[in-house]
This record gives sequence, C-alpha cells and structure tokens, in this order.
Amino acid sequence: GEDVEQSLFLSVREGDSSVINCTYTDSSSTYLYWYKQEPGAGLQLLTYIFSNMDMKQDQRLTVLLNKKDKHLSLRIADTQTGDSAIYFCAESNAGNMLTFGGGTRLMVKP
Amino acid sequence: SAVISQKPSRDICQRGTSLTIQCQVDSQVTMMFWYRQQPGQSLTLIATANQGSEATYESGFVIDKFPISRPNLTFSTLTVSNMSPEDSSIYLCSVHHSANYGYTFGSGTRLTVV
Repeated sequence: GEDVEQSLFLSVREGDSSVINCTYTDSSSTYLYWYKQEPGAGLQLLTYIFSNMDMKQDQRLTVLLNKKDKHLSLRIADTQTGDSAIYFCAESNAGNMLTFGGGTRLMVKP
Repeated sequence: SAVISQKPSRDICQRGTSLTIQCQVDSQVTMMFWYRQQPGQSLTLIATANQGSEATYESGFVIDKFPISRPNLTFSTLTVSNMSPEDSSIYLCSVHHSANYGYTFGSGTRLTVV
C-alpha cells in the first residue's frame, strides 16, 4: 500500500519557526493535507496543497511541496505554546481516500 | 465547511457488548468515512459509508465486526460489535467536500473496553 512517513517528535522554543517534514510514496497523489490534533480532540484541517503547486502560504503557515522527491513540509512561523499538538500529513488520490502519516508531536517550550 | 456532530464523545463498555456511534452532518455530503485511531497511533480507514448501498471496507475490517449504516446524505452510524479490549480506540467520522477538496473530521468517540 501507499506510505506516508513523518518524524515522531519535534521540540522548539516559543517564537522560533517549526518545520515538520513528511514523505509519501503515491505518485498519483492529488492533494496533500496538514491536520492538527490537540489532546483529547478530533482533527483540525490546517491547510492543503494541490499537487501541481510547490508552495502555499496561509498566515503563519507555509507549505512546501517537492513533487519530484515526494516531500512535503509545514513551516509554522513564530511558534506559540498553543501550537503544541500532533501534526498529521495526509495524501489523497483520485480514489478520494486519505492516507495518514504517523503524526509528529510538536512540543513548544516557553 | 461542514459541521459534524459525533456522539457519544466517549464511552466505557463491557467486553462482548456493542456500541453504535452516530455522525450527523449539517449539510449533504457525498462521501463519509469512518476511521480508527488506536492509542498513540495514526488514523486507519475502516470503511467508506455509501448512501443507499453497503459500505466499502478496507483490508482487515469486516462488516460483521463494524456494521455501518448510511440512510441519507447527512447521517451515518458505525457499530463496534462484540467488543474486546483491543477495540479500545478513538473512532472518527469524516466527510469529503468536493467543493474545496477538504476533509472535515468529527471530534471523535473515545472508546474504552473493559
């Protein structure tokens, strides 16, 4: 099956930038997503990018997509303690199924 | 985007019993999905709930264990049958918006089987 891989853990200081990385194997991916899950909560869609784009910016969030390397990243500028959560990348293809990575736990230290 | 109401938010159940989880959407959506998130794990797709026909199950999931109903375009249920402690997980419903290509998730049902 298709794979989506993420590093398990990232720790940053408040005010720094965070970069969460994701790699995927499905060359037919059409959309790639970033979701945020806070403790005890469901998933919140942060942003998504179409596979023919290489960058998308939305306030503090910047998504970079390298389709050749099948690499996706999420940069959070000026990271705050409220950004502490698990971040999941996910990809979908024409079949409309979402395949999730294992999640990256972001810890923001004051 | 659609607003999803998922109930119950959590439950503690005895092994051997069944629990039905409800997912209500505030607008008509074509595609609804059910996911399982085991403790400390990522999300795994259980099945796609199809309106007016049987759900489409992913490998490792069967209808007898996870029967799904989808009577209309705004509502679906997932039943976890004959539960064992291994079924303790968060179960989430999700809908797909063809308009903006996003997927919205319910707040999840945290199930503990004792």
